[in-house]
Parts: sequence; C-alpha cells; structure tokens
Amino acid sequence: DGGITQSPKYLFRKEGQNVTLSCEQNLNHDAMYWYRQDPGQGLRLIYYSQIVNDFQKGDIAEGYSVSREKKESFPLTVTSAQKNPTAFYLCASSILGQGRGYTFGSGTRLTVV
Amino acid sequence: GEDVEQSLFLSVREGDSSVINCTYTDSSSTYLYWYKQEPGAGLQLLTYIFSNMDMKQDQRLTVLLNKKDKHLSLRIADTQTGDSAIYFCAETNPDTGRRALTFGSGTRLQVQP
Repeated sequence: DGGITQSPKYLFRKEGQNVTLSCEQNLNHDAMYWYRQDPGQGLRLIYYSQIVNDFQKGDIAEGYSVSREKKESFPLTVTSAQKNPTAFYLCASSILGQGRGYTFGSGTRLTVV
Repeated sequence: GEDVEQSLFLSVREGDSSVINCTYTDSSSTYLYWYKQEPGAGLQLLTYIFSNMDMKQDQRLTVLLNKKDKHLSLRIADTQTGDSAIYFCAETNPDTGRRALTFGSGTRLQVQP
C-alpha cells in the first residue's frame, strides 16, 4: 500500500542537540511539506519542496533545516537554534498542480527534556 | 498574507447535524479543503471544493462555499461519536507564488451520546 511514513513517533531532545525527523513516501508525489502543530494554533508551514534538490522556506523556517536528495525522502532537522521545539511535526506530500490536497503522515511528537 | 479562521469548539448531540464554519481572506483561493484529525494522528482529507462550485455533497458531508463572503462550511449529517475530532479548513491557489496549503486553527468537535 502506498503511503507516507514518519519516524520516530516520539522523540526526546536534550537542550543544545540537533535531531532529525524522518519522512518517506512511496506515492510518487513530487511535492513534500513539513508543518508544525501547536495546541490551538493549527498548522504552520516550516519548509516545502516541489522537486529533488530544491526546497523553499515556509512561515517558521528559523531553527530548522531540510534536504531533498531523493524524491521519496524529505528529512527535517531541528537544530539547537530552534528555541522552542516541543511540538507535533507533520509531514505531507502531494501531486503538483492538481489541487487534490495532501496526504499526511502520522506525525512525530518532539519533546525537549 | 493569507489567513484562515475557525471557531475553536463545537459540541453537538449524537444524531444531530454539525456545522463547522471557516472564513478566509484570500479572494484568489481556488481550492478549499476540509481535513479531520483524530487524537495523536495525522490529518485525513475529508473533502474539497473548487472555487467555481457553491456546494458539494459526499454522503453525510455537505460543503457550502460563499465566495462573496469568503465563507466555507462543513455540515455533517447524523453526527456520530466517531466524528469527534479536530476539523481543519485549508485553502490554496496553485497559480500564486505560495505553493502550500494555509490551514485554520482547527475546530474541535465533541459529540455527546
């Protein structure tokens, strides 16, 4: 079955550490996205990519980095520069230009300890 | 920039109809979506509507779009306890420079037995 997989489901980070969240899709979708979800604030766009080796900043890119070396994969690194990283992170993918909406992964909950 | 607003909470009794409302500011929005999120999970696409439509019906779901007022609603007929979740409205216009969905803050629907 095609889908989008995020791992791990739960992640704990110590102060000053970088951590990487994995996102893999086998839907042959061109575009991939990372959103951050905080309680009562909906989803905010961190980064998105429409093609391999290219990505664009979203509304809250500071303290995050991404790469898109393969069509199937779009990992997100939460760096030590991100001062408030505790949140629920959602990855999504879509076909470009068809307006059919996104397919979402099941999310990674990151907690700073 | 784009903004999407929703009320935060709605409570209904099982068997009643639920109506979740959304307003948006971008008059060029061409695709509008409703997503459902259950606790600790990703978002599931429920339905979508193109801006050249006024209404779309899909089983128990009815979407109404008032372009003049930039108002979108989702009606759930015969609401069940399994419909309890957070519902997100989202919009996009793939023809603009912003090629990612903008989400509202979500409406938490509580269905009382």
